[in-house]
Amino acid sequence: EDQVTQSPEALRLQEGESSSLNCSYTVSGLRGLFWYRQDPGKGPEFLFTLYSAGEEKEKERLKATLTKKESFLHITAPKPEDSATYLCAVQGDNYGQNFVFGPGTRLSVLP
Amino acid sequence: GAVVSQHPSWVICKSGTSVKIECRSLDFQATTMFWYRQFPKQSLMLMATSNEGSKATYEQGVEKDKFLINHASLTLSTLTVTSAHPEDSSFYICSARFGANTEAFFGQGTRLTVV
Repeated sequence: EDQVTQSPEALRLQEGESSSLNCSYTVSGLRGLFWYRQDPGKGPEFLFTLYSAGEEKEKERLKATLTKKESFLHITAPKPEDSATYLCAVQGDNYGQNFVFGPGTRLSVLP
Repeated sequence: GAVVSQHPSWVICKSGTSVKIECRSLDFQATTMFWYRQFPKQSLMLMATSNEGSKATYEQGVEKDKFLINHASLTLSTLTVTSAHPEDSSFYICSARFGANTEAFFGQGTRLTVV
């Protein structure tokens, strides 16, 4: 059964304090790993898609990396507006076109 | 990124009535649309997957007769909560994708409150 776990559950950072969020997955035949950001009361906002181990994607202060077992979302010099819940999802062979979502990491960046 | 519009963003209805939620992909044709339910401080729970012109595929435990899904075109899917009850109160979110193995784009979500 495909599974996705995320750590930490919650993270508090000071503005400018870089850190990383982890997404560990078990999936049969990875077709894609997706990162989303969700603000309270809103739908998730797409950030990155990673397809194969070794792949990296960057956008502003965020960088996503992928290995065969996990993905990291690195946040460099975060700002208060980066505060949100970050969700990781995988698509594998077992569930066809469906995503399996992790529980998310709640990030708070304090000014 | 691609835009998915969901309406209404919030709705309050009386117990026993039905509510329809619309999900539109504004700038792409969505081969597949998904409907999720989200409880406070929890992750997304997939309710059903629909492809244009086909019957929706519901997840185990989701009542097909209560949550009616129609995917009539490549840009529109609707979720109708029939005979709503207070326990149906939740945050409902749709998403759409334009191809297999691609990212999905989400709507803004609909907060349903049944009184």
